[in-house]
Amino acid sequence: DTEVTQTPKHLVMGMTNKKSLKCEQHMGHRAMYWYKQKAKKPPELMFVYSYEKLSINESVPSRFSPECPNSSLLNLHLHALQPEDSALYLCASSNPGEGAYEQYFGPGTRLTVT
Amino acid sequence: AQKITQTQPGMFVQEKEAVTLDCTYDTSDQSYGLFWYKQPSSGEMIFLIYQGSYDEQNATEGRYSLNFQKARKSANLVISASQLGDSAMYFCAMISRPSGSARQLTFGSGTQLTVLP
Repeated sequence: DTEVTQTPKHLVMGMTNKKSLKCEQHMGHRAMYWYKQKAKKPPELMFVYSYEKLSINESVPSRFSPECPNSSLLNLHLHALQPEDSALYLCASSNPGEGAYEQYFGPGTRLTVT
Repeated sequence: AQKITQTQPGMFVQEKEAVTLDCTYDTSDQSYGLFWYKQPSSGEMIFLIYQGSYDEQNATEGRYSLNFQKARKSANLVISASQLGDSAMYFCAMISRPSGSARQLTFGSGTQLTVLP
């Protein structure tokens, strides 16, 4: 099973709302990633969790708050977002370590901030 | 720092013909990996093919092959017998230096491929 699932598929939220994105994988991967992608652009890395610990935060604003409750789950909590945060949010997972393991991506959540 | 360059923002190919998508890279690492991903309009990033820097043979996966020329630092994707379902954005990516025990992908800017009937 090489599936990464993400919920919801679409999300519309106001600038004062609090919402969460959820990502789940059951491939036994111990590294999980959040990316932000604007239309016609490559994904931009936001956060990396390795063995349930935050290992990379690419200077993401604090209105985005990641959480890794266990090795299969990754959440992204959203609060007080701006319209420019509207984008496709992709989750991915892989095996960490020295091997060049491919990252498996979920289908993404299309976020619109009004 | 790692850098991936895709110089073709858009490409057109006739159905059933072969097409080559260009990718060049820059890295100071001796050991690295190169990937190609396909992203249809639905948004999901689909892993297509991987090439390790020490692999002597070019990688192949079904209709996809990777033309790896290490001295030129190029890793072009060749799609044979194009199908209408191949229409999508294609990203070349590289595994960069490990940070802790997690690896980071550096993406190129992408090539939008359109297959014509």
